[in-house]
Amino acid sequence: DIQMTQSPSSVSASVGDRVTITCRASQGISSWLAWYQQKPGKAPKLLIYAASSLQSGVPSRFSGSGSGTDFTLTISSLQPEDFATYYCQQANSFPLLTFGGGTKVEIK
Amino acid sequence: EVQLVESGGGLVQPGGSLRLSCAASGFTFSSYSMNWVRQAPGKGLEWVSYISSSSSTIYYADSVKGRFTISRDNAKNSLYLQMNSLRDEDTAVYYCARVESAARTFDYWGQGTLVTVSS
Repeated sequence: DIQMTQSPSSVSASVGDRVTITCRASQGISSWLAWYQQKPGKAPKLLIYAASSLQSGVPSRFSGSGSGTDFTLTISSLQPEDFATYYCQQANSFPLLTFGGGTKVEIK
Repeated sequence: EVQLVESGGGLVQPGGSLRLSCAASGFTFSSYSMNWVRQAPGKGLEWVSYISSSSSTIYYADSVKGRFTISRDNAKNSLYLQMNSLRDEDTAVYYCARVESAARTFDYWGQGTLVTVSS
């Protein structure tokens, strides 16, 4: 099974900050990596697919990069509505999709 | 507008059974693979089960294999999860999620239904 490890598990940041979250796969997954945002009490929302493709309707301050085993999600200028938990998800072993442990972005 | 609405959650004793449903609308349900994903209280996301559009291919996470059964009724635009031999660790919010097969992502999710396994 492919394991996904996210770091950090939490990050404190201020509005306007640049935030970077890392996701590492236990084996190469090409570009089969997605990122989701989840707010408390809500379902996850797809942000990024294929490592770097922005889902329709998602603000351009979100971006993704990476391939193989190492990936990043970057929020270029953190907005109040971006405080949430972010999950990566590998899709190399589709349809057996697995998630990282999550990164909580908190207000500093 | 794509909508997925789960129902059937509740409180059940260990060893008991529960059947979850997910009503789909706003898209051609029979053309999409579907999944169940769960989230234990305060924990991360865990994929549970997958069913292809025609029900010909089904997968389960090891944690539920042999206890849970996924199914669908394309005529009723509905997805189901029959959960038997429930354990404390099955306590979670259960989401149904549509699969976008080309990108291999969950592109739409329901609001979730809470299953609590406790005596």
